[in-house]
Amino acid sequence: QKEVEQDPGPLSVPEGAIVSLNCTYSNSAFQYFMWYRQYSRKGPELLMYTYSSGNKEDGRFTAQVDKSSKYISLFIRDSQPSDSATYLCAMKGSNDYKLSFGAGTTVTVRA
Amino acid sequence: SAVISQKPSRDICQRGTSLTIQCQVDSQVTMMFWYRQQPGQSLTLIATANQGSEATYESGFVIDKFPISRPNLTFSTLTVSNMSPEDSSIYLCSVTKTLDYTFGSGTRLTVV
Repeated sequence: QKEVEQDPGPLSVPEGAIVSLNCTYSNSAFQYFMWYRQYSRKGPELLMYTYSSGNKEDGRFTAQVDKSSKYISLFIRDSQPSDSATYLCAMKGSNDYKLSFGAGTTVTVRA
Repeated sequence: SAVISQKPSRDICQRGTSLTIQCQVDSQVTMMFWYRQQPGQSLTLIATANQGSEATYESGFVIDKFPISRPNLTFSTLTVSNMSPEDSSIYLCSVTKTLDYTFGSGTRLTVV
């Protein structure tokens, strides 16, 4: 079993729709949870990070962490064609410098 | 966030040869990492590049295959040695300052 599971999709939505992405994990020591966006032929760029459980909002993006279920989510509201990318979840423990990544979900927002 | 320049961006290499990938950062960083990203798979950590000492390799990766140099706090190289088609992948350099993990644009390697 992989340490971090993420449905690779692909996910295709119309412009303006809400995009819902999620990851599950098995390591209860994970405390920091991150979402990266990766455009084609580019490196991943950090979108948001969350510490422990709870929600965090940044513009059209909302990250949620439920540590009791070992489940994290990213919501993109009012999606735009420019949001078309691969989204990767990543996480690490408090005393760890290594990130564990999900496989990434490819999202296409149709104009 | 740190700014990373990674070179080359892509290359096509013959099997049995070696390729050295360079990672230059615009500021001093303690932690530098090298990852491999294969299509449809998650990023896999190859090693942590340590300044002034040998790199720390993850399970499944060895120094003879992936020698790493880290001569100072802003630069590192990863060499992919004696390449085979199975080494075709994207290789990424990454640095971190606290929780800000920044990635280079990657090197797309094709071995023929």
